Amino acid sequence: GDSVTQMEGPVTLSEEAFLTINCTYTATGYPSLFWYVQYPGEGLQLLLKATKADDKGSNKGFEATYRKETTSFHLEKGSVQVSDSAVYFCALNTDFNKFYFGSGTKLNVKP
Amino acid sequence: EAQVTQNPRYLITVTGKKLTVTCSQNMNHEYMSWYRQDPGLGLRQIYYSMNVEVTDKGDVPEGYKVSRKEKRNFPLILESPSPNQTSLYFCASSPELAYQETQYFGPGTRLLVL
Repeated sequence: GDSVTQMEGPVTLSEEAFLTINCTYTATGYPSLFWYVQYPGEGLQLLLKATKADDKGSNKGFEATYRKETTSFHLEKGSVQVSDSAVYFCALNTDFNKFYFGSGTKLNVKP
Repeated sequence: EAQVTQNPRYLITVTGKKLTVTCSQNMNHEYMSWYRQDPGLGLRQIYYSMNVEVTDKGDVPEGYKVSRKEKRNFPLILESPSPNQTSLYFCASSPELAYQETQYFGPGTRLLVL
């Protein structure tokens, strides 16, 4: 069945470090891929998305490229800030309107 | 303000006592969905609805019921709650069909079943 696998956390980085959070997926058909972010005590917010192969989603300095050949959608940011500390979820949506989320990766950024 | 609201935000109950968690959105969205969030498991979809009177099962529907009588509301019903339903629940909505669309999440309902 469809599924999403993302790297386990927590990930701890110093401010201005480079961030990569790995995400791979298994899906039938042609899914859309998403990264959501959850700040403490809040619901999830969309960070970025890509709807077809080779698309790059970007927002607030974060980027992810939809790689069909490696079934991956890794999240990257060149220089993280303390305010980026949160839990990040990779997700996919199939053309049957079901959503699948990864287990989440907690990011801690230290000053 | 465009938003998804859930009530209650926190709930402690006992095994077998029926409860309902309400969800409402003011964005005229057609698609609505319920998830539960558990440590190490991420979010798992319980039920979703593509329009009024149209609902379908997600990955973990056992022990839950939903109804969609109005476009804006999508309540989650636990007829006989059990301790394994202790979790953090999120409602979400999306314009039109959800494929390729952003979901907007509510603030969450934390449920403890004793």
